[in-house]
Amino acid sequence: KNQVEQSPQSLIILEGKNCTLQCNYTVSPFSNLRWYKQDTGRGPVSLTIMTFSENTKSNGRYTATLDADTKQSSLHITASQLSDSASYICVVDNYGQNFVFGPGTRLSVLP
Amino acid sequence: EAGVAQSPRYKIIEKRQSVAFWCNPISGHATLYWYQQILGQGPKLLIQFQNNGVVDDSQLPKDRFSAERLKGVDSTLKIQPAKLEDSAVYLCASSLVVLAGRDEQFFGPGTRLTVL
Repeated sequence: KNQVEQSPQSLIILEGKNCTLQCNYTVSPFSNLRWYKQDTGRGPVSLTIMTFSENTKSNGRYTATLDADTKQSSLHITASQLSDSASYICVVDNYGQNFVFGPGTRLSVLP
Repeated sequence: EAGVAQSPRYKIIEKRQSVAFWCNPISGHATLYWYQQILGQGPKLLIQFQNNGVVDDSQLPKDRFSAERLKGVDSTLKIQPAKLEDSAVYLCASSLVVLAGRDEQFFGPGTRLTVL
């Protein structure tokens, strides 16, 4: 069964600290993996997209990694800011047949 | 470039009533998606259109949900009659075209539905 799991379910950190969010998937065939940021009351916004051959991609203070062998991905946030408080959703695409969404990790950054 | 527009932003109805949501995708985007996002969960695809044709509606509860995309642009999603478990955020997304899965989806702000 195509599935995406994320951990932790929620996370609280202090402003300026780093954090890492995890994503494990069992989706086949695999086309690409995406990380989205979803602010409260807003739709998800794309952060990164990685194909099978890419094992790291950065977008500002966000760095995503992908290990296609172990079917794991992580999203690392450096020097967190209050505006990073949001849900982070991992999505795996199997060649556009369908997008398998994870449940998200709720991140709260406190001053 | 204007983003994906949705209306209304919020809707409160009683169970067994009907409700409709509207989505205007980014201009030129051929593919349009409707998702249901229950609180604390990731979005679940309800229906995907390519222009005005349905590509995937396998998870759409067809006994009460319907959607259309006339002229391949705007789309409406309707629930009739609504149940308590339909309370969720309904997200619309669009992409230029789905090719080998590299195409990026752009999401609208969503419509938050509360069924009492």
